[in-house]
Amino acid sequence: KAGVTQTPRYLIKTRGQQVTLSCSPISGHRSVSWYQQTPGQGLQFLFEYFSETQRNKGNFPGRFSGRQFSNSRSEMNVSTLELGDSALYLCASSAGSTSGNTIYFGEGSWLTVV
Amino acid sequence: GENVEQHPSTLSVQEGDSAVIKCTYSDSASNYFPWYKQELGKRPQLIIDIRSNVGEKKDQRIAVTLNKTAKHFSLHITETQPEDSAVYFCAASGPNFGNEKLTFGTGTRLTIIP
Repeated sequence: KAGVTQTPRYLIKTRGQQVTLSCSPISGHRSVSWYQQTPGQGLQFLFEYFSETQRNKGNFPGRFSGRQFSNSRSEMNVSTLELGDSALYLCASSAGSTSGNTIYFGEGSWLTVV
Repeated sequence: GENVEQHPSTLSVQEGDSAVIKCTYSDSASNYFPWYKQELGKRPQLIIDIRSNVGEKKDQRIAVTLNKTAKHFSLHITETQPEDSAVYFCAASGPNFGNEKLTFGTGTRLTIIP
């Protein structure tokens, strides 16, 4: 079956703009998480959604937000972009129904803020 | 919150030799420990995982060991091959249902020398 799909794969934005990234989880998976990956900070957890509800949230400012739709697809939004938001944004999905679920990552969206 | 430390940050081994990467975690309640391999420009790919109810798991040339008392777990790759060259990340999560948040180590860049 298809893996985790993220769009767009690459994008360039200007400081102050906003961006929306999309993620389609593996079929049947109800949990979608988002991570930011940068050379300096590594892989950091942004938030996780399950059945359209945010279950977990990392330590990121309110400019970072997300949502999940009834078909489990998810979007994340970053408003008022800063240069430091340049990163690889990874979406991950899992069944989410028990603890210790296997978590699979998408190919990511490369965001460059200029 | 959980904190995961990973060592070494870089590792070079001769082809055919073994490689060992070690991680420690801080939250004794964590119960799920996956390892991901990330090649340049690609997504993190799950290579093996272990849950806290077992001490060791093996999959062909890859094995993971877990010491819950000492709160550390290790990745062992035997008979290394050039295609094993990548960055490897350990992670921890758990224990509750709904805790899909992975806390990652800082990564180990493994280079296999032909």
